[in-house]
Amino acid sequence: DADVTQTPRNRITKTGKRIMLECSQTKGHDRMYWYRQDPGLGLRLIYYSFDVKDINKGEISDGYSVSRQAQAKFSLSLESAIPNQTALYFCATGTGKDYGYTFGSGTRLTVV
Amino acid sequence: GQQVMQIPQYQHVQEGEDFTTYCNSSTTLSNIQWYKQRPGGHPVFLIQLVKSGEVKKQKRLTFQFGEAKKNSSLHITATQTTDVGTYFCAAKYSGGSNYKLTFGKGTLLTVNP
Repeated sequence: DADVTQTPRNRITKTGKRIMLECSQTKGHDRMYWYRQDPGLGLRLIYYSFDVKDINKGEISDGYSVSRQAQAKFSLSLESAIPNQTALYFCATGTGKDYGYTFGSGTRLTVV
Repeated sequence: GQQVMQIPQYQHVQEGEDFTTYCNSSTTLSNIQWYKQRPGGHPVFLIQLVKSGEVKKQKRLTFQFGEAKKNSSLHITATQTTDVGTYFCAAKYSGGSNYKLTFGKGTLLTVNP
């Protein structure tokens, strides 16, 4: 089983709908991140969390919200999806020891 | 905000040729990481560089961190088709929180067999 699991893998939704992307991990890492990837733009940070009680905005948090339900679970919500939120979304985990992040397999979201 | 510039954006090589991608920052970095993302896949951590002038090797891959800790490079010797993918650098800045990485936009490498 994957260390970092994202669901769903693919999703098509309509403009204005609320959608939740889920991430769970078995790495035991305390830090979790949500990134968005668009062609030619690299990976941009949406939200990050150091522990269950800690939530922080990243560089592109507008239109998104998150919930850290447990150390192992970090979900991303689009309150009212819009077409320019069509992208590939990655969840990642890390420790505070400057080791590399472990990424999930991604969720490809299309907003029509 | 802080940015790390990565060049080139694309690189196409013949199998057996060498490949290099560069990352540059206008401010000093605490450390830099490199990731590889295969087509249709997710980023996978390759290595972290911390010390000024550091050089690390992984088989045909050579990673360097500049003396001023403002730039880094990844060099692949004698590319193979298995090297295809996008290579990202990810920077952690000095003096800032250690909470996040700033990713370059990546270099997409394609290899003609």
